[in-house]
Amino acid sequence: DQQVKQNSPSLSVQEGRISILNCDYTNSMFDYFLWYKKYPAEGPTFLISISSIKDKNEDGRFTVFLNKSAKHLSLHIVPSQPGDSAVYFCAASGIYNNNDMRFGAGTRLTVKP
Amino acid sequence: GAVVSQHPSWVICKSGTSVKIECRSLDFQATTMFWYRQFPKQSLMLMATSNEGSKATYEQGVEKDKFLINHASLTLSTLTVTSAHPEDSSFYICSARKRDNGNQPQHFGDGTRLSIL
Repeated sequence: DQQVKQNSPSLSVQEGRISILNCDYTNSMFDYFLWYKKYPAEGPTFLISISSIKDKNEDGRFTVFLNKSAKHLSLHIVPSQPGDSAVYFCAASGIYNNNDMRFGAGTRLTVKP
Repeated sequence: GAVVSQHPSWVICKSGTSVKIECRSLDFQATTMFWYRQFPKQSLMLMATSNEGSKATYEQGVEKDKFLINHASLTLSTLTVTSAHPEDSSFYICSARKRDNGNQPQHFGDGTRLSIL
């Protein structure tokens, strides 16, 4: 049951440009959304989150946008840096399921110097 | 900060052995801890939710007698893979959520690579 989907397995961007990672979800009961960054053989690192009462949250170079009607969220990284190269997971949770998170399959971002 | 320590980071053992993995929240109290499993090039799959002082809640298809979870304190949860077999080889990751109201992110350990020969 794939409740959270990241349809792009990979993305390649030039250094300094914008990276846009997309995520779709199917369960309208989700009300809290997160992005994690993961390097190989490490656990995911929390990046940024957004609750369903907002449509945008910004933290430095990272901005998350939420479109509830489309059940879609995106992560924008501007400007992209080579150190941003990693796998990015989006996740969703909701009060209805005790805040258990469901993860997308991940998108591998490569930022080229 | 919100640091989660997972130990060991890598285990190689023979088939039939039981393996215990520890997950500790170092600088916060975690009412709830989570155990995930990740297969190569796949997403993190939630195995079970561990609440301090009570029984863990297992996801469908996860054998609770195979994967024993203990959450004895607000800073420690353990996962024991009993009588491990090669098909149990995987990357196991724990996470912890701060004891708080409202939405909180989960903070992850660095994972345990389990290889069963």
